[in-house]
Amino acid sequence: GAVVSQHPSWVICKSGTSVKIECRSLDFQATTMFWYRQFPKQSLMLMATSNEGSKATYEQGVEKDKFLINHASLTLSTLTVTSAHPEDSSFYICSATRTGRNEKLFFGSGTQLSVL
Amino acid sequence: DAKTTQPPSMDCAEGRAANLPCNHSTISGNEYVYWYRQIHSQGPQYIIHGLKNNETNEMASLIITEDRKSSTLILPHATLRDTAVYYCIVRVRGNTGKLIFGQGTTLQVKP
Repeated sequence: GAVVSQHPSWVICKSGTSVKIECRSLDFQATTMFWYRQFPKQSLMLMATSNEGSKATYEQGVEKDKFLINHASLTLSTLTVTSAHPEDSSFYICSATRTGRNEKLFFGSGTQLSVL
Repeated sequence: DAKTTQPPSMDCAEGRAANLPCNHSTISGNEYVYWYRQIHSQGPQYIIHGLKNNETNEMASLIITEDRKSSTLILPHATLRDTAVYYCIVRVRGNTGKLIFGQGTTLQVKP
């Protein structure tokens, strides 16, 4: 099956620094990717839809200047958490679907971010 | 996107069938029913999806009622490794359709 690779799997950073998370579709092209956040014992919350070559679409309540998304190619989307604070500590997960095909979304393995 | 309702938790004996219900009474004609599961600290894993016909694959079966207002995911022979949170999601057709997760059902498979 299709593989979505997410890197890093975990990261610890100091408050005020920025962290970049990469999401790659390894064996397929993905025009659209999605970014989720998950707090402990809660469900996944959709943050934004990442579209190749255009601006991301953010869900209500998600700060676009805080969570910068870049989808510069058909196989790579990045999420940058800018000026991270402890409340940004969470599990971040990306997903992607094959370009031109209406089917299942494939998920990355997630990135655990801890902000000290 | 239509919302779904699932029981918060269920138990199942190892080796028995696990039947996970989902209510999606406001589903529209252009929405699929998807099932994913998430094992602790991992990304969600695709299980199965369908529009209106029953579906079966190597992991599970999906039974959708004729009016499409509810569905049941069936794991035919549950194992301890099937312990996870199971999410029932409706998604608009088209590859830009978002997956909006509800609270899901925590399935505990017991020996």
